[in-house]
Amino acid sequence: QKEVEQNSGPLSVPEGAIASLNCTYSDRGSQSFFWYRQYSGKSPELIMSIYSNGDKEDGRFTAQLNKASQYVSLLIRDSQPSDSATYLCAVNPFSGGYNKLIFGAGTRLAVHP
Amino acid sequence: DGGITQSPKYLFRKEGQNVTLSCEQNLNHDAMYWYRQDPGQGLRLIYYSQIVNDFQKGDIAEGYSVSREKKESFPLTVTSAQKNPTAFYLCASSRTGPLTEKLFFGSGTQLSVL
Repeated sequence: QKEVEQNSGPLSVPEGAIASLNCTYSDRGSQSFFWYRQYSGKSPELIMSIYSNGDKEDGRFTAQLNKASQYVSLLIRDSQPSDSATYLCAVNPFSGGYNKLIFGAGTRLAVHP
Repeated sequence: DGGITQSPKYLFRKEGQNVTLSCEQNLNHDAMYWYRQDPGQGLRLIYYSQIVNDFQKGDIAEGYSVSREKKESFPLTVTSAQKNPTAFYLCASSRTGPLTEKLFFGSGTQLSVL
């Protein structure tokens, strides 16, 4: 059973702080890793994708991947109340373009003024 | 504008009834997917299709059926065999290629049982 684990939260951070979201996965052969943001009652939207070990930065967001330890994280700098949402970690354990993502249950982030 | 359209936004099912959720995309994507999301849980894959006239079961296909007669359309039928259908249903599409491509999601359908 391939699994993706996330702390359900809520993770509460003050406005302007760094929010750190973590995700672990069970399939060591996983190839692709994604972070989606989902507001209540809405569909997920892609925040970051990462395919190789290390850090990837995009604006206020940084994704970090460590395949040896089987974890991927998302850092949100200068957190804003508009960042309050559920963040879903998704992993593709397959290669060859089969886009069968496995999603974690999500971490709820609350940014308070 | 290109995108994915799901309808209806809200759907109510009576016991023993089959209902069909619509999903249409104009992104020219080969691959389409149906996910189910229960409160406080992640997305679970119901069915997916990589090409017209072909589709595969996902992790929770029992009680559901799909068709892919056109590239643009991937309707999902929730049959009476699905005993717990209340959930948020999301349709998605993507290109196909050597790496995982970005999923584009529709706005979702909330299905409830009367």
